[in-house]
Amino acid sequence: GQNIDQPTEMTATEGAIVQINCTYQTSGFNGLFWYQQHAGEAPTFLSYNVLDGLEEKGRFSSFLSRSKGYSYLLLKELQMKDSASYLCAVRAPNAGKSTFGDGTTLTVKP
Amino acid sequence: DTGVSQDPRHKITKRGQNVTFRCDPISEHNRLYWYRQTLGQGPEFLTYFQNEAQLEKSRLLSDRFSAERPKGSFSTLEIQRTEQGDSAMYLCASSLVRDNSFETEAFFGQGTRLTVV
Repeated sequence: GQNIDQPTEMTATEGAIVQINCTYQTSGFNGLFWYQQHAGEAPTFLSYNVLDGLEEKGRFSSFLSRSKGYSYLLLKELQMKDSASYLCAVRAPNAGKSTFGDGTTLTVKP
Repeated sequence: DTGVSQDPRHKITKRGQNVTFRCDPISEHNRLYWYRQTLGQGPEFLTYFQNEAQLEKSRLLSDRFSAERPKGSFSTLEIQRTEQGDSAMYLCASSLVRDNSFETEAFFGQGTRLTVV
């Protein structure tokens, strides 16, 4: 099975940088996703890592270490609209389904 | 393409009634997933289809739940004899698998919020 852990809540200041960590224990691995979900809305795709290292996409970056079962999502130049839940998800090998963590609720304050 | 669409957006039903939800995936996507999400939790996998074939069903899914994707396009999820514990957001997602190996990220619909009273 898969077990995904991420902090429940985080708070940061507008304009700052925040790092959201995710650790996973899996019986197989075929990529790690980060999704953003605003309250009452659908999750929207942010990033995908399948190899070790950092993937950068504008203000958002995601890092993966497969040997450590660890990923983080880095958000720079925080904006108020970044207040949302951030979901870490691991895709199972040979099957498209993903196991999601319970999400980290990020609150950005002025 | 307007993305993944789900209908209805909200459904309130009495305990014991049957409900059916519909999902229309992104048109060229051959994979379709159903997830369930409750407040404060991440989406929980229910089942998925590759074209019209249902490839996997979660062990957590009771036999009151059934899903179909008869023509490999839209899908329906039916819950029979609903219980209060079925109250949740039901999310549909779709993706494209190429050459039976590479799969794109999943795109989610807005969900159907079910309330069983």
